[in-house]
Amino acid sequence: KAGVTQTPRYLIKTRGQQVTLSCSPISGHRSVSWYQQTPGQGLQFLFEYFSETQRNKGNFPGRFSGRQFSNSRSEMNVSTLELGDSALYLCASSMAARGADTQYFGPGTRLTVL
Amino acid sequence: GQNIDQPTEMTATEGAIVQINCTYQTSGFNGLFWYQQHAGEAPTFLSYNVLDGLEEKGRFSSFLSRSKGYSYLLLKELQMKDSASYLCAFLNTNAGNMLTFGGGTRLMVKP
Repeated sequence: KAGVTQTPRYLIKTRGQQVTLSCSPISGHRSVSWYQQTPGQGLQFLFEYFSETQRNKGNFPGRFSGRQFSNSRSEMNVSTLELGDSALYLCASSMAARGADTQYFGPGTRLTVL
Repeated sequence: GQNIDQPTEMTATEGAIVQINCTYQTSGFNGLFWYQQHAGEAPTFLSYNVLDGLEEKGRFSSFLSRSKGYSYLLLKELQMKDSASYLCAFLNTNAGNMLTFGGGTRLMVKP
């Protein structure tokens, strides 16, 4: 079975721009969660989508948003980029029909904001 | 509140055994995960404990004590390729599938 895939793998943007990241979950997985990883803050939860609905949300500003499509693929968007948004963005997929299940991570998108 | 702590760095010798501890505090608990992350790569799932006790998987074992808010990951017969960061994370019963991660323990295995 193919693993979680994320595109693009690397991205360089400038302050004020917006960016869209994509995640394709493992086949059959309907839950997709997004995390931000930085050296200072570690791995922090952004949001989770299940069956096209946002089920959980972390403590991030409204500039961070996401969505999920009927095929379970998910996108996250960051608007008005700030230098502090430079990070590794990881998505993780799971079956999670009842809310809690093992999450499998994709390779991540490395975003650099200049 | 919620909190999760693990040592920042550890060093061990090839062939030895190392134990990485993790303590947590949360109002609701629905399981404790361990992930391994090599530099520049994604975290990979190692183990999941929801009940007290030891779970063994080859060279890796994970232990959980819910009453003490404590878990450890035990790595036996260390190999150079085990040099990586080890992340513990818990699931909160009130937050669905959201994982709260510790800062990670960077393990360096020396010859």
